[in-house]
Amino acid sequence: GAVVSQHPSRVICKSGTSVKIECRSLDFQATTMFWYRQFPKQSLMLMATSNEGSKATYEQGVEKDKFLINHASLTLSTLTVTSAHPEDSSFYICSAFGTSRHEQYFGPGTRLTVT
Amino acid sequence: GQNIDQPTEMTATEGAIVQINCTYQTSGFNGLFWYQQHAGEAPTFLSYNVLDGLEEKGRFSSFLSRSKGYSYLLLKELQMKDSASYLCAVLGDSNYQLIWGAGTKLIIKP
Repeated sequence: GAVVSQHPSRVICKSGTSVKIECRSLDFQATTMFWYRQFPKQSLMLMATSNEGSKATYEQGVEKDKFLINHASLTLSTLTVTSAHPEDSSFYICSAFGTSRHEQYFGPGTRLTVT
Repeated sequence: GQNIDQPTEMTATEGAIVQINCTYQTSGFNGLFWYQQHAGEAPTFLSYNVLDGLEEKGRFSSFLSRSKGYSYLLLKELQMKDSASYLCAVLGDSNYQLIWGAGTKLIIKP
């Protein structure tokens, strides 16, 4: 199956700093990628849909100026958490559909801890 | 509105069979997915159903009834490694956006 990678897998940062998370589709081109956030013992929450070459579509309640998404190529989308705060500490997961809508492939996730 | 329901938690015994149900009400339907998620890890794809009926894949099977807005995931010959959360998701009207259930935590006991 298709492979999606994320980097870094874990990051600890200080409050007020910014963190960039990369999501790559390794063996296929992804015109659309999704960014999710998952708090402990809760289900996935879609944050935004990232479209190659255009602006991301954010879900209600997600601050687009705080969570900057760039999808500059067909294999790379980045999520930048700006001015991070402890409440932003979470598990961030990206995903992409392959050549069809029958399977959505997930990256391994990035554990963000803001101190 | 859009709604997907599945039990919060289930317990089963190693070697047994368990059925995890999922009911959905969405504005459109382009398929239903089941994912497995171990704690601290990203979800992994298990199955996709778009037509009514049963799809079997090894120890796991998934069933869909579009008229009833209902699906189930059947796990046979349970193993301890099957302890995980199982997520039901529907591809609705949107071209690629999934609507997620809250997940069912499955606990396997020896």
